[in-house]
Order: sequence, then structure tokens, then C-alpha cells
Amino acid sequence: ELKVEQNPLFLSMQEGKNYTIYCNYSTTSDRLYWYRQDPGKSLESLFVLLSNGAVKQEGRLMASLDTKARLSTLHITAAVHDLSATYFCAVDTDSWGKLQFGAGTQVVVTP
Amino acid sequence: GAGVSQTPSNKVTEKGKYVELRCDPISGHTALYWYRQSLGQGPEFLIYFQGTGAADDSGLPNDRFFAVRPEGSVSTLKIQRTERGDSAVYLCASSFSGGPAYEQYFGPGTRLTVT
Repeated sequence: ELKVEQNPLFLSMQEGKNYTIYCNYSTTSDRLYWYRQDPGKSLESLFVLLSNGAVKQEGRLMASLDTKARLSTLHITAAVHDLSATYFCAVDTDSWGKLQFGAGTQVVVTP
Repeated sequence: GAGVSQTPSNKVTEKGKYVELRCDPISGHTALYWYRQSLGQGPEFLIYFQGTGAADDSGLPNDRFFAVRPEGSVSTLKIQRTERGDSAVYLCASSFSGGPAYEQYFGPGTRLTVT
């Protein structure tokens, strides 16, 4: 059974500092996605990573994928309050978009 | 343009009742997915449609759950004899075509509460 593990599950960030969220998965896959969810809202797609070594950046967020290590990271540079949300990674299990999600990382950014 | 819409946004029902949850995907999207999200957890896959057919229903928890997409657009998730454990947010997502390169766009969800 595929397992997708995120850590930490909760992350308290100080504005201006850098942080990393880790996503480990237990089976071979080269398709990984990052989503953001605000409280009471739906999921917003952040990144689609489709190959080993893929790196994507958008603003203060950068995601990378190492399929050999079965690890993806989401790096946050100079955190700001607007980044407070829950971040999910998800692995495509069958090439048709059937996603298995991690438990999520709740991020709170304080001054 | 219009995103994925879901109705109702909230549904409260009594244990044992039947409910239907509706999803309107983005126009032109052939792939449609249903997920269920319990409090404090990540979404859990239920079923995937490519066009009108259910290509993968392996995530449906039992035979009380059924979903249809008769014309390849709107989909309805149907739950019979609801149980308190069915309480969750039911999310629908669509993509241009089923496949890893196409990101899934999620709807706002239907919060189902079974009392």
C-alpha cells in the first residue's frame, strides 16, 4: 500500500525566515503534486512535478522532486503571513491522476 | 472562467437517509474525480471518471456509495443509508484529460454531516 508522509505536520514560521516541508512516499512514482488549502476552502494547485530532478518555483515557494529517494521538498523563502495555510503533497499512483495525499502540513506565519 | 462547482455546499442528513451530491466540472474537462476529506486529513480518492465511464472506483468504501456521470459532464455522488462515519467534506476535481501532466482543479466541496 502506498504511503505518503509529510513532516512536519505543524510548522510555526517567523516572518522573514526560511523553512522546508518534506514529503516522503513509499512506492515508485515520478509524479508528485503540491496543493495549498486555506481554512474552509478547497485545494489550490501549486506545483506539478513530473520527473526526477524537477524543480519549480513560484514566488517564495520552490518545490523539488527526487524520485530515487522518493522525496519531495517544498521550500519557503522569507516567510510572510499570506503563506499561512495547510500544504499537501500528493502522489499519482496509476498514471491517470488517482492521487494519494499526505496528511498535510499546517503552516502558521507570525511576525 | 468558471471553475468546478459543487452543490449543495452543506448537507445535514439523518442517519439512514439517502443523499446526492452534485459536481459540475470545468467545461471541456473529460476527467472527473471524487475525493473525501475528513477533518484534519488529506483528501482520500473515491472514484475517477473518464468521459461517461467510471475508470476506477476502487476508492468507494462500500456498496452504499455510487457515482454517475451520464453525459460526460455533471457527476452525482450518491450515498445510501448514510452513517455517521460518512460525515466529511466531499471534493470533486476535474482535469482536461486524465493523466499525470494535467493538474486537477478542485471544487469548493460539499460538507456532509450525518446526525
